[in-house]
Amino acid sequence: KAGVTQTPRYLIKTRGQQVTLSCSPISGHRSVSWYQQTPGQGLQFLFEYFSETQRNKGNFPGRFSGRQFSNSRSEMNVSTLELGDSALYLCASSLDLGVGRGAAGELFFGEGSRLTVL
Amino acid sequence: GEDVEQSLFLSVREGDSSVINCTYTDSSSTYLYWYKQEPGAGLQLLTYIFSNMDMKQDQRLTVLLNKKDKHLSLRIADTQTGDSAIYFCAERDRGSTLGRLYFGRGTQLTVWP
Repeated sequence: KAGVTQTPRYLIKTRGQQVTLSCSPISGHRSVSWYQQTPGQGLQFLFEYFSETQRNKGNFPGRFSGRQFSNSRSEMNVSTLELGDSALYLCASSLDLGVGRGAAGELFFGEGSRLTVL
Repeated sequence: GEDVEQSLFLSVREGDSSVINCTYTDSSSTYLYWYKQEPGAGLQLLTYIFSNMDMKQDQRLTVLLNKKDKHLSLRIADTQTGDSAIYFCAERDRGSTLGRLYFGRGTQLTVWP
C-alpha cells in the first residue's frame, strides 16, 4: 500500500511569490493534516481537512490556505512568500472512521516538501 | 495541549538501552505518540499509548506513562546505529480533532558503534 505522497519534494521561490504544495493521502484515508517544521519553531499545525471541509486550523496568517478534493487529495497554498516561510511542509493522513475525536487516529506522514524562500 | 518538552540530545553506545523522556502539561491528553525522523525524511510513527495505560511494549520499544507526573518515556532496547534519528513525542488533547497533535522539539539520538 502506497504511503503519503507529497510533491514537489524540493522547491525554491523568491519573496513575494506564491507556492502550491500537493499531498496524496494513503488510499482510503479521508483526513489530511498539514504541518510546518522549522528549526526555530519545531512542528506546528497548519490545518486539517476531512471530506473536503476544513475542520481545524492552527495559528497561521491568512496567506496560508488549503483545500481538499473529492478524492481526498489536498493542496496547500502560501501567497506572498516571506523568508520565514522557508520550512519543511509535512502532510499527514489518517483513517478517520467518522468518529473524529477520541480515537487513536494514527497519523501517517509523507516525506515533506522542502521550501526555500530567497 | 501546547507544552510538550523533551531533552534535545542523547548519546548511547550500540547495544545499550536508550531512554528518551518527555513531559507534557495538558491533563486532558488522550493519546501520546512517539515518532522517528531520519535525515531528509518525514515522520515515522513508532508507537502510541492511550492515557489510561501505564505501559506498552512493542518488540524493542517500551513506552512508560506516568499520568500523575505527566511524564512519558520511550525505551529502546539493544540500540543499533540505525536507530540514530530525531525522536518526537506528541500528544492529542481531549478536545482536539484527529489530525491535530502537539509535538515536542525532538530528541536527537546518536548511537556510537
